[in-house]
Amino acid sequence: AQSVTQLDSQVPVFEEAPVELRCNYSSSVSVYLFWYVQYPNQGLQLLLKYLSGSTLVKGINGFEAEFNKSQTSFHLRKPSVHISDTAEYFCAVSDLRGSYIPTFGRGTSLIVHP
Amino acid sequence: DAGVIQSPRHEVTEMGQEVTLRCKPISGHNSLFWYRQTMMRGLELLIYFNNNVPIDDSGMPEDRFSAKMPNASFSTLKIQPSEPRDSAVYFCASSDRFSGNSPLHFGNGTRLTVT
Repeated sequence: AQSVTQLDSQVPVFEEAPVELRCNYSSSVSVYLFWYVQYPNQGLQLLLKYLSGSTLVKGINGFEAEFNKSQTSFHLRKPSVHISDTAEYFCAVSDLRGSYIPTFGRGTSLIVHP
Repeated sequence: DAGVIQSPRHEVTEMGQEVTLRCKPISGHNSLFWYRQTMMRGLELLIYFNNNVPIDDSGMPEDRFSAKMPNASFSTLKIQPSEPRDSAVYFCASSDRFSGNSPLHFGNGTRLTVT
């Protein structure tokens, strides 16, 4: 069975500063990795996904993430955040084999201050 | 593409009452998931369907919870009787295929308050 750890429950940052949201996973098999964003009073939306190929994945709204197999990490980054990036961010992992059901982390609240 | 549609957006009910939450998945999607989100437990998978058939309901908290998917365009999650600890945001999500590489598309949720 896979598991996901989002190391930071809350990340405060000033507008236009860079940000990194950390995600580590554990799995006995190869995985697919996802980042979702949840704005207040809304459902989760897909930001980006890693399925195979290049380990650097670019998503919507200027976000990108890098898959590091040796460190079992999939950290999310943005070089310059905006107030509108304030939201909850979820990392998720699913096995290439098995139940296919994604396991979600507990989420990281990104708070962008002016 | 209207997205996943959930109703109602908010539901306030008294303990002991029956609650029915509704979901319309994206047309053409054949997998449907029900999640519950709380501050204490985060996002919990309750049940999921593939081609209208329940595959795994091990996440359903207890017998008070039941879910159905009578056709490809509609699903319900019912709580009877409801209890205050059921208060949470309930999300429905759909996917275009039952595979690990297919992302989920979430509705905007139903915020349930049981008093």
